[in-house]
Amino acid sequence: NAGVTQTPKFQVLKTGQSMTLQCAQDMNHEYMSWYRQDPGMGLRLIHYSVGAGITDQGEVPNGYNVSRSTTEDFPLRLLSAAPSQTSVYFCASSLVWTGNTEAFFGQGTRLTVV
Amino acid sequence: DQQVKQNSPSLSVQEGRISILNCDYTNSMFDYFLWYKKYPAEGPTFLISISSIKDKNEDGRFTVFLNKSAKHLSLHIVPSQPGDSAVYFCAASADSGAGSYQLTFGKGTKLSVIP
Repeated sequence: NAGVTQTPKFQVLKTGQSMTLQCAQDMNHEYMSWYRQDPGMGLRLIHYSVGAGITDQGEVPNGYNVSRSTTEDFPLRLLSAAPSQTSVYFCASSLVWTGNTEAFFGQGTRLTVV
Repeated sequence: DQQVKQNSPSLSVQEGRISILNCDYTNSMFDYFLWYKKYPAEGPTFLISISSIKDKNEDGRFTVFLNKSAKHLSLHIVPSQPGDSAVYFCAASADSGAGSYQLTFGKGTKLSVIP
């Protein structure tokens, strides 16, 4: 079982470059989300989606775009990378979201912006 | 303003003893509380949850206690095993509107179980 797959695992970007972090799940989950984890911080919600065609902002959405054209995929786009976006990014999915539903996380993408 | 606080960055416990990880919160609107465990270079994995209307939930070696009046919850691991060494995140969820919940995470506590 693949679960939640994130690519790439590591990435180095120059300031101002754009890129897309990929996230795919094969569990037919409706709810998907993106988090970032910074040193000494918990995970902070960037964007989330409750189903195909529906996305919304989380706690720290600035500088990121998302789209959800299929149930399986939820890419995160960095429009113009900044050093402040250096972080570890996690994608997660849940069957539904009722507050205590188990979320399944990918292995993370470690992004460095120089 | 941090709504979910884990004030102990690290904890060391002898194998076989009890591990107690603490979490405080400020938002009385949280409906559920969850604990996730994270190993290095992996994503977090769900461990256990508790509804805000309950005060205890148990799953094998793991028990979560909730004290709503104190806005405090704790995770007890008995007995602790070396494989439990990981970072533990406390998280809380609230309805952000239209039935959509959002998770708010604490900063995590690194548990080291010493053989």
